[in-house]
Amino acid sequence: KQEVTQIPAALSVPEGENLVLNCSFTDSAIYNLQWFRQDPGKGLTSLLLIQSSQREQTSGRLNASLDKSSGRSTLYIAASQPGDSATYLCAVNPGNQFYFGTGTSLTVIP
Amino acid sequence: NAGVTQTPKFQVLKTGQSMTLQCAQDMNHEYMSWYRQDPGMGLRLIHYSVGAGITDQGEVPNGYNVSRSTTEDFPLRLLSAAPSQTSVYFCASSYSQGALGGYTFGSGTRLTVV
Repeated sequence: KQEVTQIPAALSVPEGENLVLNCSFTDSAIYNLQWFRQDPGKGLTSLLLIQSSQREQTSGRLNASLDKSSGRSTLYIAASQPGDSATYLCAVNPGNQFYFGTGTSLTVIP
Repeated sequence: NAGVTQTPKFQVLKTGQSMTLQCAQDMNHEYMSWYRQDPGMGLRLIHYSVGAGITDQGEVPNGYNVSRSTTEDFPLRLLSAAPSQTSVYFCASSYSQGALGGYTFGSGTRLTVV
């Protein structure tokens, strides 16, 4: 069974700082990896989707990378803002379902 | 707005009661799934469907039933609610099981069983 780990579980940074969230998975045979954002009491909003053949994806201040061979992905957030405060979830898909990590809770302090 | 719609948003049930959580999507997605989210455990797959008339079990299927009579709808039935089923339930859909276009999630149903 695919295991997904996200480190750190919680992170607090001052506004304007660049930061990196980490995701690791145990089985490198994946179709794709998706990063989500979840605000308290809300659903999941898709941020970036990386197919297995891709190395990275970018959207605005967000950049996600994928290293299948080492079982790792990182989500880079540039120039963080208080509005970025949320829980960030990583999910990997080996072809039959998505397996989720437990998330990193990010707080950006004004 | 195109997307995944879940109803109700909140529900309180008594132990032993049954209910159906509704999920509908208007994106013509073939693949639909139900997850539950519990603190410290992440999201876990309950049941999924790869198309109308086809369903299968996920990681935690006990106590839940599903059916898929149309492409658009994928209801989740709790047969006899138990306190262990207190959770937040999310429905997700994608074009295919391999999710080449990624997942789209509904806003969730927060269920409390007392």
